Amino acid sequence: DAKTTQPPSMDCAEGRAANLPCNHSTISGNEYVYWYRQIHSQGPQYIIHGLKNNETNEMASLIITEDRKSSTLILPHATLRDTAVYYCIVRAPNTGNQFYFGTGTSLTVIP
Amino acid sequence: DGGITQSPKYLFRKEGQNVTLSCEQNLNHDAMYWYRQDPGQGLRLIYYSQIVNDFQKGDIAEGYSVSREKKESFPLTVTSAQKNPTAFYLCASSIGDRGQETQYFGPGTRLLVL
Repeated sequence: DAKTTQPPSMDCAEGRAANLPCNHSTISGNEYVYWYRQIHSQGPQYIIHGLKNNETNEMASLIITEDRKSSTLILPHATLRDTAVYYCIVRAPNTGNQFYFGTGTSLTVIP
Repeated sequence: DGGITQSPKYLFRKEGQNVTLSCEQNLNHDAMYWYRQDPGQGLRLIYYSQIVNDFQKGDIAEGYSVSREKKESFPLTVTSAQKNPTAFYLCASSIGDRGQETQYFGPGTRLLVL
């Protein structure tokens, strides 16, 4: 699975959009981009995933560049409860289903 | 409610003792996983199981054992051979590996060595 690079930490003002970047320059054509988040001392929570097209659900939007070498997770109106570590993962299907979690980005939403 | 449960939330182990962490899911998922998380680190895969009565080692299986006798249960035993067991243990499940299935995680068990 391709490696990902994320900034170790970010701050965001409450009510503003949080834009979390992820670089995955060695991504293969069949690898999906997944985003999870982990609130302190809890299990990771699935947020969103995509292959080529931009995706949106009730939690967030995922913007994938045309060359697929990077992506951005957007939380449109960050709240204090969005303070968490956010993990960007790239993974191909039918590969034993292992998800490789790195150290992620620690997002702090500031009141 | 559907979901993944792990018990206990906190577990204390004495030196040389084996302990078993419970993971149960009622999502009817085929695949189940165990991860270990150390402070400030990402998750590392210990074992996974794609189907009942079958499981494979992950990246850090030494000192651990699992069983998968029922679809809904995937207990993890931390044996005395695991010299540094203090960590946060996470169980996950997914429908399978037929495409882009996501993994759903339990709340975790924190293991501490006395």
